[in-house]
Amino acid sequence: EVQLVESGGGLVQPGRSMKLSCAASGFTFNNYDMAWVCQAPKKGLEWVATISYDGSSTYYRDSVKGRFTISRDNAKSTLYLQMDSLRSEDTATYYCARPRELGHYFDYWGQGVMVTVSS
Amino acid sequence: DTVLTQSPALAVSPGERVSISCRASEGVNSYMHWYQQKPGQQPKLLIYKASNLASGVPARFSGSGSGTDFTLTIDPVEADDTATYFCQQSWNDPNTFGAGTKLELK
Repeated sequence: EVQLVESGGGLVQPGRSMKLSCAASGFTFNNYDMAWVCQAPKKGLEWVATISYDGSSTYYRDSVKGRFTISRDNAKSTLYLQMDSLRSEDTATYYCARPRELGHYFDYWGQGVMVTVSS
Repeated sequence: DTVLTQSPALAVSPGERVSISCRASEGVNSYMHWYQQKPGQQPKLLIYKASNLASGVPARFSGSGSGTDFTLTIDPVEADDTATYFCQQSWNDPNTFGAGTKLELK
């Protein structure tokens, strides 16, 4: 059974950093691209970033370029999202998700972790 | 970015048929996907590439459309289908999601 379990969320002040982790199991992690998708409170979903199966390629939405870094450790089957220079508008639930067919859709999602950016 | 427009809410009775629409601001070929999200849970893939049923999803769910107009149909609706349904396009970069349609049962 595919499982994605996020951790690392919480309350953080504007301008500070936070790192999210996603532990994967139930599939061969290093065969798949991985992604982060966020959902602001009472709002819709928004793709954040994607990393290729081997970590060689990364893709970001414009609003997080230069501030967020997606990475992975295939030996640990773990995905990361380093978030720097956080802003209030980054407040959201962050989901780890598995993209399929060159990132067109997401077939498995974690339960999500809440990040609140506030002073 | 491609904007996806969905009706905010629908209310139907169990056993009825419901169609949930999603209109794209520009063509997305057949690269429209549908997700179900129940309160406090993560999204779940229902339909990919307009009309393909995801693994383990009941055949009561179906998808149709191409270009700019797409429909998710549930027939018949069951009580457990109470949820918000999101569409997502991946033809244009970046991929984008609709704001969701909240389905309530009468």
